[in-house]
Amino acid sequence: EVQLVESGGGLVQPGGSLRLSCAASGISTNSNYMNWVRQAPGKGLEWVSVIYSGGGTYYADSVKGRFTISRDDSKNTLYLQMKSLRPDDTAVYYCAGSYSYAGFDFWGQGTLVTVSS
Amino acid sequence: DIQMTQSPSSLSASVGDRVTITCQASQDLSYGLNWYQQKPGKAPKLLIYDASNLETGVPSRFSGSSSGTDFTFTISSLQPEDIATYYCQQYDNFRYTFGQGTKLEIE
Repeated sequence: EVQLVESGGGLVQPGGSLRLSCAASGISTNSNYMNWVRQAPGKGLEWVSVIYSGGGTYYADSVKGRFTISRDDSKNTLYLQMKSLRPDDTAVYYCAGSYSYAGFDFWGQGTLVTVSS
Repeated sequence: DIQMTQSPSSLSASVGDRVTITCQASQDLSYGLNWYQQKPGKAPKLLIYDASNLETGVPSRFSGSSSGTDFTFTISSLQPEDIATYYCQQYDNFRYTFGQGTKLEIE
């Protein structure tokens, strides 16, 4: 059974930084496609970033240059380093994994990030 | 970038009704469309992949089809547990786009 467990969310001031983690079991972060997807309060889903099995990384325009996706293969854990946070980054951040490049087969429960002064 | 237009944004139907949600892509998709169900306070769940393939364990009352840039998601007989928001999603050129979502309610 695949399990994805996010952590690291919380309240941060505008301009601040935060690092999210996603501990995976039942799926290898280094041989599948691992993503971050977010959902602002009361809004729809927005893809944030993906890291491919080969290590390639891609980002939504809204976070490019501010967010960095990475993984630690020894810990089977996915990360999202977020810098220069803005109020419109406030959202539940989901870790989502897939055997295919085209979608999201597995989801974590999400972690809430609130950017506010 | 490819834009997805999902409709309707909300829908009210009765138990047993046939329910249809559509997504229209702004151009041809190199890969098919996926459909997700999100219940309140929960993470999304993949129901349909590549436009018409049912994910393992998903009830057969859910189905998907496509015609060119138009994609359709159908619940053949609405059940009370189907109350959720449904999203389409496409992949193109290392980017992923979701539709705006359809909130489904029971009358």
